[in-house]
Amino acid sequence: EAGVAQSPRYKIIEKRQSVAFWCNPISGHATLYWYQQILGQGPKLLIQFQNNGVVDDSQLPKDRFSAERLKGVDSTLKIQPAKLEDSAVYLCASSPRGTGVGETQYFGPGTRLLVL
Amino acid sequence: SQKIEQNSEALNIQEGKTATLTCNYTNYSPAYLQWYRQDPGRGPVFLLLIRENEKEKRKERLKVTFDTTLKQSLFHITASQPADSATYLCALLSGYSTLTFGKGTMLLVSP
Repeated sequence: EAGVAQSPRYKIIEKRQSVAFWCNPISGHATLYWYQQILGQGPKLLIQFQNNGVVDDSQLPKDRFSAERLKGVDSTLKIQPAKLEDSAVYLCASSPRGTGVGETQYFGPGTRLLVL
Repeated sequence: SQKIEQNSEALNIQEGKTATLTCNYTNYSPAYLQWYRQDPGRGPVFLLLIRENEKEKRKERLKVTFDTTLKQSLFHITASQPADSATYLCALLSGYSTLTFGKGTMLLVSP
């Protein structure tokens, strides 16, 4: 089966600019996750969708970050305006149900963002 | 506050030896714990899951233990190979279905 697809793979922007990332999860997966991974750290959950509803966005900086998952499939994550500390890899993952039963999460390759 | 701690320094071992990585946690009561592998420039890849009522889980050359009293999981790779070189992340269920990851430990296996 095809894996989780993300684009772009790399992005360089200046601070205060806006940027958007796209994710296409594995077909049929109900749950989609966006993580931020800063160099030397583990992935940190930003937002979790179950179909097209938000399950957890407690760590999403809502003053500048937004995410949507239209029709319960693809998702976009936007940052506006970007700050230097947003430089990180943004990982998208999906899982079949995401109901806390110990499911495997399948990760995409990530988008590497550099804010200058 | 909740914490997940993994060896911050890289672990260097010789090919053929057993690698042992540690994951300690505080202020969690996770129903399960997962281990992932991450190669440079790639997303994490799931390796093993162990539930709170399981002491040990094995998959090929991999073995995971889970001690809820010590609040610790150990991850072992036996007969290690240079291809095992990567960063290994532990992750705990920290909510209904939310995973919290440790920082990871880099493993370097020398020929």
